[in-house]
Amino acid sequence: GQSLEQPSEVTAVEGAIVQINCTYQTSGFYGLSWYQQHDGGAPTFLSYNALDGLEETGRFSSFLSRSDSYGYLLLQELQMKDSASYFCAVITDYKLSFGAGTTVTVRA
Amino acid sequence: SQTIHQWPATLVQPVGSPLSLECTVEGTSNPNLYWYRQAAGRGLQLLFYSVGIGQISSEVPQNLSASRPQDRQFILSSKKLLLSDSGFYLCASRGRVDTQYFGPGTRLTVL
Repeated sequence: GQSLEQPSEVTAVEGAIVQINCTYQTSGFYGLSWYQQHDGGAPTFLSYNALDGLEETGRFSSFLSRSDSYGYLLLQELQMKDSASYFCAVITDYKLSFGAGTTVTVRA
Repeated sequence: SQTIHQWPATLVQPVGSPLSLECTVEGTSNPNLYWYRQAAGRGLQLLFYSVGIGQISSEVPQNLSASRPQDRQFILSSKKLLLSDSGFYLCASRGRVDTQYFGPGTRLTVL
């Protein structure tokens, strides 16, 4: 089976930088994805790492170290609209297994 | 890109009643399809996935079943709902290996 660990909550002010760590244990690993979910909504895809290193998409970046079974999502220049839950997910052959999610609260 | 349709958006059902939630997909053919359940404030639990018509894999033994009668149709069912079946049910379709597209979800309350 798969297990993922990520912090349950993070609070930061507008304009700050937040890093959400994710450690995982799995077999048949293809990659690590990140999803954003606003309250009451469906998850939306943010980023994907199949290889070690940093992937940058605008204000959001994601990092993977396969040897450490570790990744993180970096949120820069935080905005109020970034208040949401963020999930890491490991990709195996047919499916994704999600972490419990990190609730990010952005304060003015 | 793909579009996932789910209905209804919200549903309130009594304990012991049947359930049928439907999901349809546009913009792709022969997709891998998934049903997830999310309890309030929790992560997503994979319930079922399907790689083709009539092919269903169950991830967690439970009071629910799934069927895939057509290529782009995925149905979640129950004969008798339990209180513990309450939750936010999400249908998803796999895009490229690195993405899943989610439908808008059905919020089910069992009373």
